Amino acid sequence: SVLLYQKPNRDICQSGTSLKIQCVADSQVVSMFWYQQFQEQSLMLMATANEGSEATYESGFTKDKFPISRPNLTFSTLTVNNARPGDSSIYFCSSQFQDTQYFGPGTRLLVL
Amino acid sequence: GQQVQQSPASLVLQEGENAELQCNFSTSLNSMQWFYQRPGGSLVSLFYNPSGTKQSGRLTSTTVIKERRSSLHISSSQTTDSGTYLCAMDTGNYKYVFGAGTRLKVIA
Repeated sequence: SVLLYQKPNRDICQSGTSLKIQCVADSQVVSMFWYQQFQEQSLMLMATANEGSEATYESGFTKDKFPISRPNLTFSTLTVNNARPGDSSIYFCSSQFQDTQYFGPGTRLLVL
Repeated sequence: GQQVQQSPASLVLQEGENAELQCNFSTSLNSMQWFYQRPGGSLVSLFYNPSGTKQSGRLTSTTVIKERRSSLHISSSQTTDSGTYLCAMDTGNYKYVFGAGTRLKVIA
């Protein structure tokens, strides 16, 4: 299995600011994924991050708004630029190990 | 695009009752997983089940590929089973599309 840690657990920020969410794996993983979940809704895949290459974004998510870095095989950072109240949600990182997708505990973001 | 439909949307059980959760996929299935999301938010994989039947304790998952559906059976429910059950389809390279979930509440 793989354990994923996220920091911070939760954050409150003002509109227009930027914030970073970190994801750390306890072992090397090829791909890290970032998901967004609004209250009482399902998870939506935002992007896939592989080491040494630019993240690939799903429809509705852009590099300018949600830049992602993947400097090595155990670490990834998601940035939320120019945060808006509509970005208030839970952000999860995840990774696949053998047949199972593992998730970090999530970062709850509230944008005022 | 690819869609995943889950039913029912919510369910309330008396402790000890059984439940059957359904998941239907709009396209042919590569692989899928069932997840449990705790009230606090974290997710844990229950089953990787691309086809056939798998059992773990009181949980049984059955996936029928040609019918593009999967089910999760919970037997003898307990209050600790309360939470949200999500199914997700692998669209390729471990990119998952999730259903909206079934919110289960088990009361004593």
